Amino acid sequence: AQKITQTQPGMFVQEKEAVTLDCTYDTSDQSYGLFWYKQPSSGEMIFLIYQGSYDEQNATEGRYSLNFQKARKSANLVISASQLGDSAMYFCAMRLMNRDDKIIFGKGTRLHILP
Amino acid sequence: DVKVTQSSRYLVKRTGEKVFLECVQDMDHENMFWYRQDPGLGLRLIYFSYDVKMKEKGDIPEGYSVSREKKERFSLILESASTNQTSMYLCASSMNQLREQYFGPGTRLTVT
Repeated sequence: AQKITQTQPGMFVQEKEAVTLDCTYDTSDQSYGLFWYKQPSSGEMIFLIYQGSYDEQNATEGRYSLNFQKARKSANLVISASQLGDSAMYFCAMRLMNRDDKIIFGKGTRLHILP
Repeated sequence: DVKVTQSSRYLVKRTGEKVFLECVQDMDHENMFWYRQDPGLGLRLIYFSYDVKMKEKGDIPEGYSVSREKKERFSLILESASTNQTSMYLCASSMNQLREQYFGPGTRLTVT
């Protein structure tokens, strides 16, 4: 079964520290995409970063990077130099190439950045 | 800039009312989606559409219908609202199968 697991329901991190949010996925498909989204208290889901299953390099977007370990089926999000505005809910998601175009979301991790 | 808009941020309706939630995207995306988000349950897909007049059921379509008459607009319809449909509703669109989805701001619906 296709599944995304985020084992950290909540995290507290001091401002300016780096943060790693865990995500593992389960699929037998070879072609898939992995995503991270941020949802602040306003409710909007904001796309952060994408990693394709055939990409050899880890994706990076500014302060965000995705630590992709295909053999372990993990796709952890790393936020460098955290800021107060990073406090939000973070969702890991997977999209399968040949599966009705659905996207599968994890349950999310609530990140709190402390001043 | 990518833009997905939803007709209302907050909506309060009575049990039994017919409810329309509208979503519009200006990116010429083929695919559009409706989700509901509930505490502890995450995001659940209600319906999606990969082309005008095409629709596919998601994981929880019961009690909902959708309409896509134009490429940029995807409507979610609650034929007869019930209290268990109180939720946050999120619309999204994407260019193709493998790429990211862009979300609207959400509609928080309360059915009393």
